[in-house]
Amino acid sequence: GAVVSQHPSRVICKSGTSVKIECRSLDFQATTMFWYRQFPKKSLMLMATSNEGSKATYEQGVEKDKFLINHASLTLSTLTVTSAHPEDSSFYICSAWSGAGTFDEQFFGPGTRLTVL
Amino acid sequence: AQSVTQLDSQVPVFEEAPVELRCNYSSSVSVYLFWYVQYPNQGLQLLLKYLSGSTLVKGINGFEAEFNKSQTSFHLRKPSVHISDTAEYFCAVNSGGSNYKLTFGKGTLLTVNP
Repeated sequence: GAVVSQHPSRVICKSGTSVKIECRSLDFQATTMFWYRQFPKKSLMLMATSNEGSKATYEQGVEKDKFLINHASLTLSTLTVTSAHPEDSSFYICSAWSGAGTFDEQFFGPGTRLTVL
Repeated sequence: AQSVTQLDSQVPVFEEAPVELRCNYSSSVSVYLFWYVQYPNQGLQLLLKYLSGSTLVKGINGFEAEFNKSQTSFHLRKPSVHISDTAEYFCAVNSGGSNYKLTFGKGTLLTVNP
């Protein structure tokens, strides 16, 4: 199957700082990438959908100025958590879809554990 | 709108016993259905998917699921589980067409005991 990587796998930062998380599709071109947030012992919550070269579409209740998403190339999307606070601590997972043909599967990255002190 | 219900939040079983993890969905259109497994501190791995065709779908690690349209269900089964199957399992639905979003259930924690 297709491979999606995330970097870093784990990050600890101080409150008020910004953190960037990268999501890369390693062996295919991803027209569309998705960013999810997962709270402890909870399901995945879709935060936003990003299409290469255009602005991300955010789900209701997700602050777009807080969670900046950039999808500048067909293999890279970034999520920047701006002015992070302890409540932003979570597991962030990205996924990617090639966009070719009809939708059949998203390929998931391994996730990034963010801890804000 | 599409939604997924996983009725069991936790399922404890003994090693080599059979297991069924239940998933029901609601959607106003035809659906694509998925089961994912998540090990601690890892991302999601696809177990199997139903897009069309045979309603019995076989996946990796000996898992299978059956799509039942009349009961709007997609239950996951394995005839004999191993300790290594201990993980969180998520059912997800996509309504196809131009909608490529996945809606996830809340997950079922499968714990296999020796």
